[in-house]
Amino acid sequence: SQTIHQWPATLVQPVGSPLSLECTVEGTSNPNLYWYRQAAGRGLQLLFYSVGIGQISSEVPQNLSASRPQDRQFILSSKKLLLSDSGFYLCARTEGAYGYTFGSGTRLTVV
Amino acid sequence: EDQVTQSPEALRLQEGESSSLNCSYTVSGLRGLFWYRQDPGKGPEFLFTLYSAGEEKEKERLKATLTKKESFLHITAPKPEDSATYLCAVQIAGAGSYQLTFGKGTKLSVIP
Repeated sequence: SQTIHQWPATLVQPVGSPLSLECTVEGTSNPNLYWYRQAAGRGLQLLFYSVGIGQISSEVPQNLSASRPQDRQFILSSKKLLLSDSGFYLCARTEGAYGYTFGSGTRLTVV
Repeated sequence: EDQVTQSPEALRLQEGESSSLNCSYTVSGLRGLFWYRQDPGKGPEFLFTLYSAGEEKEKERLKATLTKKESFLHITAPKPEDSATYLCAVQIAGAGSYQLTFGKGTKLSVIP
């Protein structure tokens, strides 16, 4: 199984509050993992990717951060949320010819 | 700058009315082009990968084709259950860790 688990499914947070979104994957070891954000009317935007434990690459400067404490665990965090952080957050892993397999996503609304 | 543009943004079809979605791209070296289907509130679901101009892939009522500048997703005799947002993405040769660049998608509505 190449299942990706994301939680929570929905989240409403006030501006300035912290954030932690977790993604865990099943299947082959040492997967490449990704965090994408999908905002209304915009395409999927790559935020972070990781090729291994402790290895994080950031694509977009922002107040978000990512960590990979275990081989199959990828965490997206923020110390203080902004209104502009609202969106649909997707975790994904590469599957060779199949491109990405995506998780079910987390809908974040910052109020 | 690598770009992926999908058109139209939205498309309404009557059940059985065939049509095509377009994905045009300008990249410095294409490794692969991917099509995904996304239902509301869910993650994208893989449909096809195309690697070279002239390649075609089919799955049920969907057929994807690729040229050097664009890809088409042809939908033959669509049904209401084909209603979804269809995403196109490109993978660039030499890009680290198999990153994909996505278009904004085409929202397809099939009316019974």
